[in-house]
Amino acid sequence: DAKTTQPTSMDCAEGRAANLPCNHSTISGNEYVYWYRQIHSQGPQYIIHGLKNNETNEMASLIITEDRKSSTLILPHATLRDTAVYYCIAGLLSQFYFGTGTSLTVIP
Amino acid sequence: NAGVTQTPKFQVLKTGQSMTLQCAQDMNHEYMSWYRQDPGMGLRLIHYSVGAGITDQGEVPNGYNVSRSTTEDFPLRLLSAAPSQTSVYFCASSYEISVRGFGTQYFGPGTRLLVL
Repeated sequence: DAKTTQPTSMDCAEGRAANLPCNHSTISGNEYVYWYRQIHSQGPQYIIHGLKNNETNEMASLIITEDRKSSTLILPHATLRDTAVYYCIAGLLSQFYFGTGTSLTVIP
Repeated sequence: NAGVTQTPKFQVLKTGQSMTLQCAQDMNHEYMSWYRQDPGMGLRLIHYSVGAGITDQGEVPNGYNVSRSTTEDFPLRLLSAAPSQTSVYFCASSYEISVRGFGTQYFGPGTRLLVL
């Protein structure tokens, strides 16, 4: 199971792209990278995941480096509702380790 | 679908009391899990189950018991509550394997527990 490292906090202007980095240098070949977010004290919400290739869905894009040691979550047009704690997780389902995440504040 | 439901939403216990936190899902997910979240910290895995009759320990299992008699339900039992178990508890479920990938979990709204 790979541990991840994320910045503690970030700010982003409303309407701009938010780029959230994550380091997972010890990731194994069969471990996916997942991103979740938690708004206030609600249950975490799945955003996106990937293994090797870059991924995009209706919420975000995930860019994984070729060596898979780091990734970046991109929210293309951040809104105030995107203010949340974002967790990057690299591991198997039975070893899902949430760190402290990145607290993203979207500024009007 | 109701998704993942948890009861109760809030609970206050005295040290030494026992209680069961309920978790249910109506998505026919094989995988279910329990996490706790302490202030300023991320979620930590307590126990998980890959199907009815199968459970295993996570990162912080001490003081908690689980069972999985049906696919839908995964209760978490505190046998003798301690102040250190004051936390917010989240239940989650997942397809073990799905088109969205292994490990995409759906979380419940949480149970806030205070042990005095």
